[in-house]
Amino acid sequence: GAGVSQSPSNKVTEKGKDVELRCDPISGHTALYWYRQSLGQGLEFLIYFQGNSAPDKSGLPSDRFSAERTGGSVSTLTIQRTQQEDSAVYLCASSPGTGGYGYTFGSGTRLTVV
Amino acid sequence: AQSVSQHNHHVILSEAASLELGCNYSYGGTVNLFWYVQYPGQHLQLLLKYFSGDPLVKGIKGFEAEFIKSKFSFNLRKPSVQWSDTAEYFCAAYHNAGNMLTFGGGTRLMVKP
Repeated sequence: GAGVSQSPSNKVTEKGKDVELRCDPISGHTALYWYRQSLGQGLEFLIYFQGNSAPDKSGLPSDRFSAERTGGSVSTLTIQRTQQEDSAVYLCASSPGTGGYGYTFGSGTRLTVV
Repeated sequence: AQSVSQHNHHVILSEAASLELGCNYSYGGTVNLFWYVQYPGQHLQLLLKYFSGDPLVKGIKGFEAEFIKSKFSFNLRKPSVQWSDTAEYFCAAYHNAGNMLTFGGGTRLMVKP
């Protein structure tokens, strides 16, 4: 696609429920990143996919968070048993190679846990 | 671990004032440096980037940044800001020992008309 597409744009969920956030990167971009942006905070790295390599999960805050990337394209970030502190904007970005080229960001998914 | 620091969290300027936002990074090797901007309600967009060569980089909308290796800095400048520059600005750094960009905490700029 022309840009990085994320869905849904907004998600309100009850505490304890599971949520899935989707990211469709730019066609041909081998690298895909998930970040989290909390109110008044910077961007917190969550997970990185590069081609068919094993993902770098070093930023995931707990085992309630997981992500997968199917066919080297679309990615899904799953948060199980959501907590109020998970409320944030979840950003997806893609890059044609490594992060050294810079990223193209999606518009994000605003997650609110009530 | 690499870190990026933006010491100005909030900046308020009047239109036509000059702007300089500070950015420092911690990694001593080769780095690629970026400034991103997030206008209200919009997604992050690339303003400018430095890979190598001329340390003075010009970006979109009249912004520029200067890479000073000895100071580990990459400050963003604009000679005369406009109300439409109201946004949050993020500095980011990449080094090839890692695989992703490290972002600073962001600076919220408000330009008063």
